[in-house]
Amino acid sequence: GQQLNQSPQSMFIQEGEDVSMNCTSSSIFNTWLWYKQDPGEGPVLLIALYKAGELTSNGRLTAQFGITRKDSFLNISASIPSDVGIYFCAGQLTGGYNKLIFGAGTRLAVHP
Amino acid sequence: GAGVSQSPSNKVTEKGKDVELRCDPISGHTALYWYRQSLGQGLEFLIYFQGNSAPDKSGLPSDRFSAERTGGSVSTLTIQRTQQEDSAVYLCASSIVGSEQYFGPGTRLTVT
Repeated sequence: GQQLNQSPQSMFIQEGEDVSMNCTSSSIFNTWLWYKQDPGEGPVLLIALYKAGELTSNGRLTAQFGITRKDSFLNISASIPSDVGIYFCAGQLTGGYNKLIFGAGTRLAVHP
Repeated sequence: GAGVSQSPSNKVTEKGKDVELRCDPISGHTALYWYRQSLGQGLEFLIYFQGNSAPDKSGLPSDRFSAERTGGSVSTLTIQRTQQEDSAVYLCASSIVGSEQYFGPGTRLTVT
């Protein structure tokens, strides 16, 4: 089945630093999404990308849908302690009933 | 308004027993998804419901897994003769067709 390769697996950074994570796929997706999951909770959507090349921001978060439609990245600027959590990329295929294919996640720790 | 709710939040069962996991979607959401999240992994698609029918069951790992949805609302995921490898967090999501999926907090299943 389809797989997403997400990296890095984990990051430990200082408060105020910028963070970057990315996902690559062997399949072409028509939508890329980025989620954040806090302990004991389900994932919450951060950013959705619908067109190749699209660059979208949500506050301190910026994400891009790669031109090849096989990759995406997420940047977090000026990290704060509440950014701690697990970040997942997910892709949707055309005609796939909108089911999500997830990466394995990037675990972010922020040191004050 | 109320989000997606799941019950129980935690379930510990002995190997070989059957378990039922429940999902209450957001009112009016006709699409419902079940995902499984193993420790340290991303979410893995199990099954998709549109109304009461399941046009995509491709993610169910074996015939011990089944799911149903009644009244276009509540869904139940049943695992028969549980095995230790079934231990995971089972997440439910609902959406208006073609729109953002909202996740519940999940049911943590432990098979001893």
